[in-house]
Amino acid sequence: GAVVSQHPSWVICKSGTSVKIECRSLDFQATTMFWYRQFPKQSLMLMATSNEGSKATYEQGVEKDKFLINHASLTLSTLTVTSAHPEDSSFYICSAPGHLSGAEAFFGQGTRLTVV
Amino acid sequence: GNSVTQMEGPVTLSEEAFLTINCTYTATGYPSLFWYVQYPGEGLQLLLKATKADDKGSNKGFEATYRKETTSFHLEKGSVQVSDSAVYFCALSDQVGTGGFKTIFGAGTRLFVKA
Repeated sequence: GAVVSQHPSWVICKSGTSVKIECRSLDFQATTMFWYRQFPKQSLMLMATSNEGSKATYEQGVEKDKFLINHASLTLSTLTVTSAHPEDSSFYICSAPGHLSGAEAFFGQGTRLTVV
Repeated sequence: GNSVTQMEGPVTLSEEAFLTINCTYTATGYPSLFWYVQYPGEGLQLLLKATKADDKGSNKGFEATYRKETTSFHLEKGSVQVSDSAVYFCALSDQVGTGGFKTIFGAGTRLFVKA
């Protein structure tokens, strides 16, 4: 089946620094990818839709200047958390959608970000 | 908009007990429905899915039937194991223009199975 690879799987950074998370579709092209955030013991909240060749679409309440999304190619989307703060500590997951009715999405392994 | 509601957890069961996790959805049209599982410290894995009314998805002893009349997709397993301890997410697919289908998740239900 289709594989989405997310890197890194975990990262610890200092407050004020920026962190980049990569999401790659390994054996298929993805014109759209989704970025989710998951707080401890909570569900996945959609942050934004990454679109190849155009600007990302952000969900209400998500700061686009803080969470920079770049969809540089048909196989790579990146999420950069800028000027990270401890409250940004979370589990971030990307996914590539199914393109057929009934097709499930394919998820990356997730990135656990800890800001100290 | 489309949404998914699932029972709150945590659910704690003894090994070999019967499991039901309720899930209902609100949607326009006829979305596909999914159950995903997240083991501790890991990402999401598709557990099962159903694409149309009355379809039954099944995998690893888990089952769920797409009930259009009650807009439900309850997850069941006849005999749980300790290794089933995880968080279970009910989800539906929501079409996004021509970009495919995004996934809308329920809140998740944490299952603990005791030996």
